[in-house]
Amino acid sequence: SQTIHQWPATLVQPVGSPLSLECTVEGTSNPNLYWYRQAAGRGLQLLFYSVGIGQISSEVPQNLSASRPQDRQFILSSKKLLLSDSGFYLCAWRVGLNQPQHFGDGTRLSIL
Amino acid sequence: AQKITQTQPGMFVQEKEAVTLDCTYDTSDQSYGLFWYKQPSSGEMIFLIYQGSYDEQNATEGRYSLNFQKARKSANLVISASQLGDSAMYFCAMSVNTGFQKLVFGTGTRLLVSP
Repeated sequence: SQTIHQWPATLVQPVGSPLSLECTVEGTSNPNLYWYRQAAGRGLQLLFYSVGIGQISSEVPQNLSASRPQDRQFILSSKKLLLSDSGFYLCAWRVGLNQPQHFGDGTRLSIL
Repeated sequence: AQKITQTQPGMFVQEKEAVTLDCTYDTSDQSYGLFWYKQPSSGEMIFLIYQGSYDEQNATEGRYSLNFQKARKSANLVISASQLGDSAMYFCAMSVNTGFQKLVFGTGTRLLVSP
């Protein structure tokens, strides 16, 4: 069966520090991969999606970037974090048309 | 542009009763999908149920059913026989059948089930 791993679960970083969040999927091939951010008490906002290795599309201009170095690996990065980057980050995968996206457990990011 | 509206910030229900969570959507596309997710306090997003725009019958998954009214552009979630473990945030989402199938989420409804 398919599983998705996302780490770390919690992260506290100072303003201006770099960021790297990693997401890996097991048990499937060539998934669509997604990064979302959820502000406290709000819905999910799509940040990036990828349909294949090296193919990244950004939904909103921001301080973050994403990369997909391997088929089942998706990385969210920043060179210098801002206070506004705080939030709950969720990675998701999907295979097949009209199939649901399946989410990882998320990373709670606090910027001090 | 696609939009999901959930007008109920919070809902209360007693254990064993049924509850309906409202969701309306807006899209000009003919082909789309509607999803409901549950988010417990721990944060993970759990997929509950899916309805395709061309599906003529309402989707059901165990205690969850989706009341799909296409003309009204509504996709309400019905939870029968509520349990204490159903207390969570519930999100309605819509996908448009482009290649990457972006999901657009509503703002969510917090459900509290009381004994």
